Amino acid sequence: GDSVTQMEGPVTLSEEAFLTINCTYTATGYPSLFWYVQYPGEGLQLLLKATKADDKGSNKGFEATYRKETTSFHLEKGSVQVSDSAVYFCALGTNAGKSTFGDGTTLTVKP
Amino acid sequence: NAGVTQTPKFQVLKTGQSMTLQCAQDMNHEYMSWYRQDPGMGLRLIHYSVGAGITDQGEVPNGYNVSRSTTEDFPLRLLSAAPSQTSVYFCASSPGTLATNEKLFFGSGTQLSVL
Repeated sequence: GDSVTQMEGPVTLSEEAFLTINCTYTATGYPSLFWYVQYPGEGLQLLLKATKADDKGSNKGFEATYRKETTSFHLEKGSVQVSDSAVYFCALGTNAGKSTFGDGTTLTVKP
Repeated sequence: NAGVTQTPKFQVLKTGQSMTLQCAQDMNHEYMSWYRQDPGMGLRLIHYSVGAGITDQGEVPNGYNVSRSTTEDFPLRLLSAAPSQTSVYFCASSPGTLATNEKLFFGSGTQLSVL
C-alpha cells in the first residue's frame, strides 16, 4: 500500500540555519505530494504541494521538488526563523481524496 | 470564515462511556474524513465520506462509527470508549472526491482522554 517515510526528529536549529527534512514515499499510480505544517494547539494547514514529477512547490521560503526517480519530496528552507517552529508532515494524495501521512517531524528554532 | 469546526476541543471519558465528536464544514465540500494523531505515528485515517449518504473505512476504523446525513456534518461516534482511543482527533474536508491534487482543510482538533 501507500506509505510515507519522514526523517526522524526532533530537529533543533539556530535561527538563520538551513533546513532539510527528508521525505520518501511509496505509491501506486501518480500521487500528488504535500507538506503540511502544524503549529502548537492547531490543526494542520497546507504549506506547499506538487502535483507531478519535477514540479517544485514553494511557500513562505520553503521549497520541495517532486522527484519521481528517487521517490522523494524533501522540504528545504534557506534561513529558518523562530516562527517556523512547528511539526511538519509529508503526505501523498490519492484518488477519492485519501491522504497518507508521514509520522511528522518536530522543528524547534532557537534564537 | 468558519471552515471546518470541531467540538468539543477537550473531552475526558471513562472506559465504556459513549460520545460523539462533532465536525461541520461550511465550504460545501464533498469529501470529509476523520484522523487520529498519536505520538510517533503521524495521522491515521479512521473513516471517510465522499458525499452525503456514503461512508467508508480507513486504516483504523475499529471502535468508531460515522454517518453522513448532510453535506455539512460528519460526526464520529465512540460507542464504548477504551483507553487505546486516547488521542487527538482531526476532522478534514476537501472540495471534490477524485482529484489527487486537492489539499485537505483541517479542523483544530479534539483532545480525548479515556481513563
